[in-house]
Amino acid sequence: AQSVTQPDIHITVSEGASLELRCNYSYGATPYLFWYVQSPGQGLQLLLKYFSGDTLVQGIKGFEAEFKRSQSSFNLRKPSVHWSDAAEYFCAVGAAGRRALTFGSGTRLQVQP
Amino acid sequence: NAGVTQTPKFRVLKTGQSMTLLCAQDMNHEYMYWYRQDPGMGLRLIHYSVGEGTTAKGEVPDGYNVSRLKKQNFLLGLESAAPSQTSVYFCASSWGTEAKNIQYFGAGTRLSVL
Repeated sequence: AQSVTQPDIHITVSEGASLELRCNYSYGATPYLFWYVQSPGQGLQLLLKYFSGDTLVQGIKGFEAEFKRSQSSFNLRKPSVHWSDAAEYFCAVGAAGRRALTFGSGTRLQVQP
Repeated sequence: NAGVTQTPKFRVLKTGQSMTLLCAQDMNHEYMYWYRQDPGMGLRLIHYSVGEGTTAKGEVPDGYNVSRLKKQNFLLGLESAAPSQTSVYFCASSWGTEAKNIQYFGAGTRLSVL
């Protein structure tokens, strides 16, 4: 069965600092990987996705993520965080032939001025 | 662009009451989903639909029923609400159920069952 682990429940960074949110997955074949962001009171919005090819993917709002098969990881990064990035971030995994995505439990990001 | 719209946004129920959550999408998507979001557990799939008139069970279907009478609408029903159903409910839609298809989410319905 697929599983997704986001080990950090809550992260606080200063505005302008770099950010890395961790995501580890468990799945036998090549997974489809996603990062979604949920701003307060809003639904989930797709930041970026990885299906195949270049393991470094670029997303919206200046985010990027790197797929590392050897580590079963898909960590999300941003070089310089803005106050508007404060939100909850979810990693999700899907697979060919499966209908549902499996979501991690989320990481809440707080940005200090 | 409305995208995916959920109504109501908030609701408080007493144990045993019933209610229906409505999800509407204007993207002509074939596939629709209902998730629940609980603290520390991410999103879990309740039911989904692969087209008008068809529904299927997801990971946590017990206590819920769904209907897809029109392509643009997906209803989630609670016949006899229980405190364990206190949660935030999200609807999503996509072009297809293949995992590569991006899911678009509504803003959620926060439900409290007392």
